[in-house]
Amino acid sequence: QVQLVQSGAEVKKPGASVKVSCKASGYTFTSYGISWVRQAPGQGLEWMGWISTYNGNTNYARKLQGRVTMTTDTSTSTAYMELRSLRSDDTAVYYCARGRGSGSYSPYDYWGQGTLVTVSS
Amino acid sequence: QSVLTQPPSASGTPGQRVTISCSGSSSNIGGNAVTWYQQLPGTAPKLLIYSNNQRPSGVPDRFSGSKSGTSASLAISGLQSEDEADYYCAAWDDSPNVWVFGGGTKLTVL
Repeated sequence: QVQLVQSGAEVKKPGASVKVSCKASGYTFTSYGISWVRQAPGQGLEWMGWISTYNGNTNYARKLQGRVTMTTDTSTSTAYMELRSLRSDDTAVYYCARGRGSGSYSPYDYWGQGTLVTVSS
Repeated sequence: QSVLTQPPSASGTPGQRVTISCSGSSSNIGGNAVTWYQQLPGTAPKLLIYSNNQRPSGVPDRFSGSKSGTSASLAISGLQSEDEADYYCAAWDDSPNVWVFGGGTKLTVL
């Protein structure tokens, strides 16, 4: 069965970086893109960006460009999201999600369990 | 401020039919398919409807979606207590090639 398993919760200080992992199993990793979506406490969903697991192409949300990097390791079927220069408003649950297809416009049929990132001094 | 507009709350009694609206623009809903997600408390979102009105396997046919112009709706018939959740609409936005979400609608089953 398809599973996306994310790394554990993180606590970071303002200005630091965080790298969240998302290990996929149960399907051919390179056939479906991976996106990252975050949710601040009590708030709605915010799209962060997408990475092609086939060729590494990326598409980032404009407000995060310059601070976010998405990568994959096809040898371990793992996707990564690194966010730098953390601020308090980056405190959120971060989700990875698999697109139904390979393109960045594909809706998400499987989601990771979420990783809470807390930014606090 | 979300790009897509949803009512913050909706409610109904068991067995009732409720609808949740989602309003956008020509660059998102007007030109692309609408997706709906259900998020139960404390869990990750779950795909409920894609391509405006398609249900993934396992989603009951009590859930249905529709789209007209730059608006979309999610209808839930035969409301059940386990339907109490947050519901989000989403669509691809051609300008500037990103996914956009609604702010979410909290459904309460009275």
